[in-house]
Amino acid sequence: GAVVSQHPSWVICKSGTSVKIECRSLDFQATTMFWYRQFPKQSLMLMATSNEGSKATYEQGVEKDKFLINHASLTLSTLTVTSAHPEDSSFYICSANTRRGFRNSPLHFGNGTRLTVT
Amino acid sequence: AQKITQTQPGMFVQEKEAVTLDCTYDTSDQSYGLFWYKQPSSGEMIFLIYQGSYDEQNATEGRYSLNFQKARKSANLVISASQLGDSAMYFCAMREGLFGTSYDKVIFGPGTSLSVIP
Repeated sequence: GAVVSQHPSWVICKSGTSVKIECRSLDFQATTMFWYRQFPKQSLMLMATSNEGSKATYEQGVEKDKFLINHASLTLSTLTVTSAHPEDSSFYICSANTRRGFRNSPLHFGNGTRLTVT
Repeated sequence: AQKITQTQPGMFVQEKEAVTLDCTYDTSDQSYGLFWYKQPSSGEMIFLIYQGSYDEQNATEGRYSLNFQKARKSANLVISASQLGDSAMYFCAMREGLFGTSYDKVIFGPGTSLSVIP
């Protein structure tokens, strides 16, 4: 089955530093990737839609300069949390679509990254 | 405004019984897709079932079935013969927008926590 690898699975960083999270599709080409943020006991909040070779589309209220998304290839998308602060602590999870043109193809999710900013 | 509503924050069901998890949605798109995902305490997202807006028959996948009522904009998940391993968070999700473009998005409802009682 389609596998999405997300790395790191957890990270602790100091306030003011930047953190990069990688999302790779291991055995398929991901034309579209979605990045989500999830607070404890809450739902997944869509942060941005990322299409290979183009700029990410951010949801309203998500700071694009703070959450930098790069989708440079069909197998890799990265989310960089710049100048992280404690309020950025959360669970970040990426997902990828396997087939172009098929709306019903399910999203395949990475296992998420738990970010803690001290 | 909430685009996806799940009115049951928590549900209990006896083992081997059936349970229905509610989901209503709001979209102006004619073509859209509805998904259900399961998230156990480990955090991984597990795809359960899909229903397309043009599908005339209700989707079924093993013990999962989707009761799709398009006019009422509802897509309830039915789990038959509940098992202890079904205890988890369940999210209803909707995909809308032009597929594979920057307008493509998948958004999630607030979720329902299901507990299966032995």
